[in-house]
Amino acid sequence: GNSVTQMEGPVTLSEEAFLTINCTYTATGYPSLFWYVQYPGEGLQLLLKATKADDKGSNKGFEATYRKETTSFHLEKGSVQVSDSAVYFCALNRNSGNTPLVFGKGTRLSVIA
Amino acid sequence: DSGVTQTPKHLITATGQRVTLRCSPRSGDLSVYWYQQSLDQGLQFLIHYYNGEERAKGNILERFSAQQFPDLHSELNLSSLELGDSALYFCASSPRQGLWGYTFGSGTRLTVV
Repeated sequence: GNSVTQMEGPVTLSEEAFLTINCTYTATGYPSLFWYVQYPGEGLQLLLKATKADDKGSNKGFEATYRKETTSFHLEKGSVQVSDSAVYFCALNRNSGNTPLVFGKGTRLSVIA
Repeated sequence: DSGVTQTPKHLITATGQRVTLRCSPRSGDLSVYWYQQSLDQGLQFLIHYYNGEERAKGNILERFSAQQFPDLHSELNLSSLELGDSALYFCASSPRQGLWGYTFGSGTRLTVV
């Protein structure tokens, strides 16, 4: 079946540190890949997406590249801020039929000043 | 404001009771998805409706049911509630099958006591 595996948190970084959150997936066909972010007390917000191999999604300084050869979609940011503290979810959509978004378990990021 | 409205924001009820959670999708979106978020299970897909018809079912208990009305709003009914049903329930919407991602509401926090 389709699944997403994320690195376990929590991840604690100092402000301006480099961030990587690993995400790998298992899916048939050619899924679309997403990163969502959930700030405390809020719903999930789409952070970025990529729909085919080698696509790079980017938003708010975050980037992720769709790597089909390694079935990965790692999230990176060069310099994190305290305001980036949140839970980050990797997700995939199989692009066929009515299969819903499948989410990883989420990675909590805490950035300290 | 994401455009997806969920009510109520918080709900506290006793075991054995029945509750109804409501979701209004973003204007123009035909698909509504329900997810349950708990600490130990992460985000679990419950059910998907498209333009009034059920399209996919996930790990939804028989005690739970949902429907989407002609005006496209959706309701999730939870009955014979148990302590373990305490969770955040999210509604999300998308224009069609969500190939470009979903827009999430801010969720309903259900506490069963």
